[in-house]
Amino acid sequence: DSGVTQTPKHLITATGQRVTLRCSPRSGDLSVYWYQQSLDQGLQFLIQYYNGEERAKGNILERFSAQQFPDLHSELNLSSLELGDSALYFCASSAQKAGGVYNTQYFGPGTRLTVL
Amino acid sequence: GQNIDQPTEMTATEGAIVQINCTYQTSGFNGLFWYQQHAGEAPTFLSYNVLDGLEEKGRFSSFLSRSKGYSYLLLKELQMKDSASYLCAVRGGGGYQKVTFGIGTKLQVIP
Repeated sequence: DSGVTQTPKHLITATGQRVTLRCSPRSGDLSVYWYQQSLDQGLQFLIQYYNGEERAKGNILERFSAQQFPDLHSELNLSSLELGDSALYFCASSAQKAGGVYNTQYFGPGTRLTVL
Repeated sequence: GQNIDQPTEMTATEGAIVQINCTYQTSGFNGLFWYQQHAGEAPTFLSYNVLDGLEEKGRFSSFLSRSKGYSYLLLKELQMKDSASYLCAVRGGGGYQKVTFGIGTKLQVIP
């Protein structure tokens, strides 16, 4: 158990809909990362938050957005869903070491999204 | 940008030793990670190398050569439960030090 929690575990929805995925980082970790992993694809970095602020953006579509709340949990919002958005969505968290270097990322169990 | 290459699939025999290679090209370098990922599950951290040389941790070892942009993960005394994907990830340079993951090597351990 990495200490990172994600809900829900599974989500089935229809095209055009909107969903929200939730992540709680490990105790003490201020950084949260979101990744998408499609079937037989590598982990695609979407976005990172640090202590409530957006820190970096990867290959995140405009239909997707995220935020990190004061209690450090994060939510990833996916809207106008398409069949191709079906994937595993992982959240990871890490601590920040001195000098701004981020420590190892620890992953949550993921949310499997199926768009029908 | 960052580019990471690793073989897509490997097969090895239970009890044997297997070496999974990873080559990378990055703008700046601040460490290389190996993760294990069973199908449908979360990646789990295996090792981290930032200096050249070999890091040993039980049955798993990881090697890094920064001048060659090369790393390998060595798995000894293979067990059936080692069948999984092994992800190489590199942390780049610059202010943000983004971590980029390779596509992963799917290892099948056979009896």
